[in-house]
Amino acid sequence: QVQLQESGPGLVKPSQTLALTCTVSGGSISSGDYYWTWIRQLPGKGLEWIGLISYRGRTNYNPSLRSRVTMSLDASENHFSLRLTSVTAADTAIYFCARAESFCGGGPPCLPHDPWGQGTLVTVSS
Amino acid sequence: QSVLTQPPSVPAAPGQKVTISCSGGPFNIGNNYVSWYQQLPGAAPKLLIYADNERPSGIPDRFSGSKSGTSATLGITGLQTGDEADYYCGAWDSSLTAFLFGGGTRLTVL
Repeated sequence: QVQLQESGPGLVKPSQTLALTCTVSGGSISSGDYYWTWIRQLPGKGLEWIGLISYRGRTNYNPSLRSRVTMSLDASENHFSLRLTSVTAADTAIYFCARAESFCGGGPPCLPHDPWGQGTLVTVSS
Repeated sequence: QSVLTQPPSVPAAPGQKVTISCSGGPFNIGNNYVSWYQQLPGAAPKLLIYADNERPSGIPDRFSGSKSGTSATLGITGLQTGDEADYYCGAWDSSLTAFLFGGGTRLTVL
């Protein structure tokens, strides 16, 4: 059973870079059938998709965050990472990582996000 | 404001059936699969429905999904107090080349 676990600093200063890692256990991150994604949830708000990365390094990012986001993947460590630059208080959120299946047996893009990590709260404050 | 539009809240009574709508456009729901997620208070979201109407193993058949054109619907029958949660739809958008979540619907079981 695949499990995901986020890790990283819980407090980041304004204008600095938020860096998080998602460690995958119970399965290989190198499977071509899946994408690896980051999602965040601002306090009291809904889910905001940040982006995805494939084991081959393909990335897609939310257009509203694209200029500040970089995702990377380390197959040897079985983890993937998120970097968000120039953070402000508006980036304070719970950050989740999740696995997304690329195609559900064929057809158009599917990307059901399952499973999810438990989430980690990142606060941007001086 | 989300590209995928959901009602902010839906009230319902125990034992009843409820439907939650998700309205999008041709580049997302209209041409790509929809998934639905349940987020219980203080927990991470959980996948309920994928590929418009498929249930992952372990999800009871009280939960169902359907789609027509650019709108999708989540149905829940035999409502229980434990179903009180936020529900989100999601779909890939081929124009934005990004995944979208709806704004979420809070289900209250009174």
